[in-house]
Amino acid sequence: DAKTTQPTSMDCAEGRAANLPCNHSTISGNEYVYWYRQIHSQGPQYIIHGLKNNETNEMASLIITEDRKSSTLILPHATLRDTAVYYCIVRGTTSGTYKYIFGTGTRLKVLA
Amino acid sequence: ETGVTQSPTHLIKTRGQQVTLRCSSQSGHNTVSWYQQALGQGPQFIFQYYREEENGRGNFPPRFSGLQFPNYSSELNVNALELDDSALYLCASSWDHAYEQYFGPGTRLTVT
Repeated sequence: DAKTTQPTSMDCAEGRAANLPCNHSTISGNEYVYWYRQIHSQGPQYIIHGLKNNETNEMASLIITEDRKSSTLILPHATLRDTAVYYCIVRGTTSGTYKYIFGTGTRLKVLA
Repeated sequence: ETGVTQSPTHLIKTRGQQVTLRCSSQSGHNTVSWYQQALGQGPQFIFQYYREEENGRGNFPPRFSGLQFPNYSSELNVNALELDDSALYLCASSWDHAYEQYFGPGTRLTVT
């Protein structure tokens, strides 16, 4: 299973874009990058995922480098409610099991 | 559409006891995964059930066991509770085992 490396914490001003980086240099060709966030020990919330193309949905954009060794989650206009721990996960499959290997994530604090 | 639900919300048990946690998957989802999240850590994969069969297991001892029912709801059973089993237990369901997982709110288990 590929490992991911994220900064421990980041601050972002309310209304500005939050750019959360993730390194996954050992990612394999068929492994997807997933992003989740967790607020106040609630269940993690799915944000977005991608394989090699950039992706955008109503919550965020995901930019994956051409060599797929790193990615960036972009929250275009951060609000106070975006304060959370953000997890970057590389999801592969082991013997047909699709499991998530979580790291310790990035604690994003959005400042008023 | 009802999301993933878990019961109970909180639970206090004594060391050596047994506990059963329950999860109702999101409508139409046939896969349930269970995770353990210790304080300050990312969730750790326990096991996954796909169409009522165990479909992979993480690094947890056999006293952690589970079931998935024909309606795809699931149970996590833990025997001979230890103090280190104190954690937030998360259940996640997905439309199929290769799709993104949606998490429930979790059950907070305290072992004294």
